[in-house]
Amino acid sequence: AQKITQTQPGMFVQEKEAVTLDCTYDTSDQSYGLFWYKQPSSGEMIFLIYQGSYDEQNATEGRYSLNFQKARKSANLVISASQLGDSAMYFCAMREGTQGAQKLVFGQGTRLTINP
Amino acid sequence: DAGVTQSPTHLIKTRGQQVTLRCSPKSGHDTVSWYQQALGQGPQFIFQYYEEEERQRGNFPDRFSGHQFPNYSSELNVNALLLGDSALYLCASSLFTGTGVETQYFGPGTRLLVL
Repeated sequence: AQKITQTQPGMFVQEKEAVTLDCTYDTSDQSYGLFWYKQPSSGEMIFLIYQGSYDEQNATEGRYSLNFQKARKSANLVISASQLGDSAMYFCAMREGTQGAQKLVFGQGTRLTINP
Repeated sequence: DAGVTQSPTHLIKTRGQQVTLRCSPKSGHDTVSWYQQALGQGPQFIFQYYEEEERQRGNFPDRFSGHQFPNYSSELNVNALLLGDSALYLCASSLFTGTGVETQYFGPGTRLLVL
């Protein structure tokens, strides 16, 4: 079974600083995918970024980038120039299953607080 | 472009009752997945529907059942509610592409409280 570990329950960062949220994973599959979602206090899970196991380049989406280190089985999310609106829970998730029957396995999440 | 919608937003029930939660997928999506998120935890997969059939199921008892309609919308039913069923229930939709990447987009969730 696949497993996602997020070891930082909470992070506190000053506005405009960069922040790295850690995620390690465990899988025996050769082909897999990793996702990051943001969950504000409203509850909705917002998709941020995706990295496939065979992607040669680290994924980037605006201020979000994914530091993918396959040998270490880590997929850390980097947020550059943090903003007050970035305060939320952040979840790392792994795709489990074959094409057409995929589910997400989530980590425990990291609560990020941006201080002004 | 309408995103995933869920109803109701909040619900209070008592032990032993039954509840039905509803979800409309993002426009163009054909697959609906349901997740349960207990307080302070990550979401746990309940089941997934595609072409009106349950395609896969997580480790949840038979009290949890679902349905998908021809317009791709979906319902989650929970019978004989227990206090431990209190949680945020999230619906996610995706499009089956056959390429291996099916990004799931989530709705705002339904907060269920069982007293």
